[in-house]
Amino acid sequence: NAGVTQTPKFRVLKTGQSMTLLCAQDMNHEYMYWYRQDPGMGLRLIHYSVGEGTTAKGEVPDGYNVSRLKKQNFLLGLESAAPSQTSVYFCASSRDRAMVQPQHFGDGTRLSIL
Amino acid sequence: AQKITQTQPGMFVQEKEAVTLDCTYDTSDPSYGLFWYKQPSSGEMIFLIYQGSYDQQNATEGRYSLNFQKARKSANLVISASQLGDSAMYFCAMRDASGTDKLIFGTGTRLQVFP
Repeated sequence: NAGVTQTPKFRVLKTGQSMTLLCAQDMNHEYMYWYRQDPGMGLRLIHYSVGEGTTAKGEVPDGYNVSRLKKQNFLLGLESAAPSQTSVYFCASSRDRAMVQPQHFGDGTRLSIL
Repeated sequence: AQKITQTQPGMFVQEKEAVTLDCTYDTSDPSYGLFWYKQPSSGEMIFLIYQGSYDQQNATEGRYSLNFQKARKSANLVISASQLGDSAMYFCAMRDASGTDKLIFGTGTRLQVFP
């Protein structure tokens, strides 16, 4: 049972490069999320999706784009990477809007922008 | 605006002792959910326990319990009989009721359990 899988696990980019982080879940969850974790700041929501074909901005969306073409996948893109985007990125999913359902997290992607 | 506050950057506890990790929250919604996650040094986020705003009893999951004081807007995590493997970062989070299901996280508490 894979749960939420993030690829890659580590990546180093140069300023201005682009890349896409992939999140895949095998639990048939409707809701998917991208967070970033920075030291001393907890996790902050970048973008989220409440279903296939839908996306919405979170707390810190600038510099990122997302797509949810398939229910099981949620992609996070950096069009022109900046050093401020050095962070650990977490993808999460949840079954529905029921308050009791926890979000299931991937293991994270550690991204460094030089 | 909704907010989660964890005022303890770090805590130490001796093995087999109990420890309480503080969490206060701020929301104007009557319906909300509170979660605790554990993040060990390996980095993954592990769900521990959930408390709903309408739950009459405090949540418990094995050695984890949640001391929910609604009037004080606090949701402290209590770990009984600490183990060395409990050493990790602990995050309190609140699910907002707006329908987006997003989580709002606190800044975390680093717990270190010593022998």
